[in-house]
Order: sequence, then C-alpha cells, then structure tokens
Amino acid sequence: SQTIHQWPATLVQPVGSPLSLECTVEGTSNPNLYWYRQAAGRGLQLLFYSVGIGQISSEVPQNLSASRPQDRQFILSSKKLLLSDSGFYLCAWSGQVPNSPLHFGNGTRLTVT
Amino acid sequence: GNSVTQMEGPVTLSEEAFLTINCTYTATGYPSLFWYVQYPGEGLQLLLKATKADDKGSNKGFEATYRKETTSFHLEKGSVQVSDSAVYFCALSSGQGAQKLVFGQGTRLTINP
Repeated sequence: SQTIHQWPATLVQPVGSPLSLECTVEGTSNPNLYWYRQAAGRGLQLLFYSVGIGQISSEVPQNLSASRPQDRQFILSSKKLLLSDSGFYLCAWSGQVPNSPLHFGNGTRLTVT
Repeated sequence: GNSVTQMEGPVTLSEEAFLTINCTYTATGYPSLFWYVQYPGEGLQLLLKATKADDKGSNKGFEATYRKETTSFHLEKGSVQVSDSAVYFCALSSGQGAQKLVFGQGTRLTINP
C-alpha cells in the first residue's frame, strides 16, 4: 500500500533562518506531488505541485521554493523565513490518472518567531 | 476562476442529530467534487467524491450528491457520532493534468454526547 511521510511534525524557527521540509512517498511511482499551506482558521492554499522529477509549478509568488530531486521526494525550502510563513504545511500525492484523489501527509506545523 | 464556498462554522450538534454542511461551487467545464475530513492534529483524508452530475458519493454514513443545476455538493449524515467531530473541506478539481484541488475554507463540526 502507498504511504506518505512528512517531517518534522512541528518546527519553531526564528525570522531570517532557512527552512527545509521533506516529504517522501512509498508504494507508488511517478506520483504527482503537492505542497499546501493551511493558515489558522482558513482553508488550504496550493503552493507548489510537481508532475515529474525536476518539474515544479508555483501557484503563488512567495518566499518559498520547492524541489523534487527524486521521483518520490518533494522538498519545501526557504532561504530566509518571514513571520507570515507560519502555518500548517501539508504534502500530498496523487496518481497520474485524471480525478485521482489526493492523499495527504500528517502535516508540519511551522511557527516563525 | 474556480472557487468553492462552504457554510461557515463552527457547527455544534448533539449525538444522533442530522447533519448538513452546505457546499456550492463555481467552475468552468465539468469538475470533480470531493469532501475531505481533517481530524485534530492530522492531515486531510478523502471522505467521498463524485465525478459527474447526479453522482452520489458515500462513505462512513456520509453522503453527497453532485447537483449541476444548483452547483452544489452538500454533505449529509443521518445520525452523527462524537467521533465525527472534525473539520470538513469541500473541494473541486478540473480533472486536467495535476489534481490542483480548490478547497473551501472548511467547516468545524463538534458533536456533543
């Protein structure tokens, strides 16, 4: 069966520090991969998605970047965190077939102080 | 662009009450519709889905019918349980390429014993 791992579960970082969140998927190949952010009391915002190794699409301009160095690895990064980067970050994967559901990791709660 | 509007929460009900969470959407073409559930401290899980008009998705006693004429996908359950307490998200997808889901803002549901 397929599983998705996301870490760390919680993270407290000072403003101006770098960020690296990692997500890996097991049990499937060539998945679509996604990073979402959930701000407190709000819905989910798609940040990045990837349909293949090295292929990254950004949905909103921001202080973050994403990379996909391997087929089942998706990394969210920042060189210098802002206070507004605080939130709950969710990684997800889906199959390539149209209308495939998204499968989410358990999320990373990031607090920038 | 595509958008999803959910009824505002929080919603508080007693155990065994009837539940309706309203969801309406705006989209071009023929989107697929989804309900996701997020339990405290966890990522999102797919609850049910419908891929074409008049389809009914169902799971764990929950149901939702894809109504194209009213652009709605309301979530219902006949008798809720304390364990149904969670945040519920309605979402749509154009079904083209990567599953770039558009989410509603979420509805927090609390069931009291």
